[in-house]
Amino acid sequence: DTGVSQNPRHKITKRGQNVTFRCDPISEHNRLYWYRQTLGQGPEFLTYFQNEAQLEKSRLLSDRFSAERPKGSFSTLEIQRTEQGDSAMYLCASSPGTAVWRDFGSGTQLSVL
Amino acid sequence: LAKTTQPISMDSYEGQEVNITCSHNNIATNDYITWYQQFPSQGPRFIIQGYKTKVTNEVASLFIPADRKSSTLSLPRVSLSDTAVYYCLVGPNTDKLIFGTGTRLQVFP
Repeated sequence: DTGVSQNPRHKITKRGQNVTFRCDPISEHNRLYWYRQTLGQGPEFLTYFQNEAQLEKSRLLSDRFSAERPKGSFSTLEIQRTEQGDSAMYLCASSPGTAVWRDFGSGTQLSVL
Repeated sequence: LAKTTQPISMDSYEGQEVNITCSHNNIATNDYITWYQQFPSQGPRFIIQGYKTKVTNEVASLFIPADRKSSTLSLPRVSLSDTAVYYCLVGPNTDKLIFGTGTRLQVFP
């Protein structure tokens, strides 16, 4: 197992376009988390799944953001009508349900021009 | 979730022991104290977790006093590769992680 995989690593888009990121968690990890991180700040929680169920969403996750985890495996995070303020690193993490740690991916760096 | 306070930055030299203290005055009974390390352009990496007293692993030690209102991450004999941001988190294990701004540790040769 190579850890949590995120694709793409970098994404440049124009304001108003839609973007989608993918996260492949460590197999057998039933929990999957999405975070957003801007320069100089710690990661901010966006949402998390237990298997295919989305259990919590942050208020940061506006209507333009949607996350899915079909079949409880990989997850996608879509941002519609991107804005310059959406520019950030989007991090995915996974863990077994009872684990004390989270395994993070290397993130997708989004730049909205 | 308990708020944490930690120094914004710290400097050290190779071979020295580094202690990073985190304050969490409002820690709850079911909260654990967890530390993560993050290098540029990478996701955070779990270092250590504790509930009370002392915990040690191959990377670091975590000291927690009896009142649990603070904790200290101890990195023995740091090297240049320990230059990173270190986050102190407090919360239940089953919950989402809430990160602060962390402590930027710079290790000099």
